Amino acid sequence: GEDVEQSLFLSVREGDSSVINCTYTDSSSTYLYWYKQEPGAGLQLLTYIFSNMDMKQDQRLTVLLNKKDKHLSLRIADTQTGDSAIYFCAETTLNSGNTPLVFGKGTRLSVIA
Amino acid sequence: EPEVTQTPSHQVTQMGQEVILRCVPISNHLYFYWYRQILGQKVEFLVSFYNNEISEKSEIFDDQFSVERPDGSNFTLKIRSTKLEDSAMYFCASSDGRAAEQYFGPGTRLTVT
Repeated sequence: GEDVEQSLFLSVREGDSSVINCTYTDSSSTYLYWYKQEPGAGLQLLTYIFSNMDMKQDQRLTVLLNKKDKHLSLRIADTQTGDSAIYFCAETTLNSGNTPLVFGKGTRLSVIA
Repeated sequence: EPEVTQTPSHQVTQMGQEVILRCVPISNHLYFYWYRQILGQKVEFLVSFYNNEISEKSEIFDDQFSVERPDGSNFTLKIRSTKLEDSAMYFCASSDGRAAEQYFGPGTRLTVT
């Protein structure tokens, strides 16, 4: 079945850029997502990218997609302590409106002041 | 901004008891989902629901589980006879189906003792 893999931990200094990486196996993935989970909270949709795009930028967030290598990354510029959270990569093959998401295990980002 | 809400935030139950987890999806959304996250594990899809019926379910969603939309606003997940391994965070999500966005609630932490 489909699989999504992420490294489990990332530690960066405040003000630096963070890059969180993800690989996936399903070549028919249509949409790829980044969700953020703060301690004790739910999953917040940060951004997503359609599979025919290479890049998407939204303020401090840049998503890069390498479809050939099935590699997705999330870059957070000027990382702040409030960015400390778990970041989940997810994918779906959106055939209809109710296709489930397949998640990675999440990358715990720690921002050091 | 509209959001998905879930109640209760934390439920403790004894093995063998029935539990009902409640969700209020975003009001104009038509597609509803339940996911769960066992501590330290991936977020896993359980079931999707559209037009008053189950659209898709995972192998986790066995006969012990059921979903219902009892009225125009609530979406419930029932576990008939809870087991220790049902202990997890249960997330409800909804989408309008036209876009790729699934919005998640804050989750219900279920603890089975």
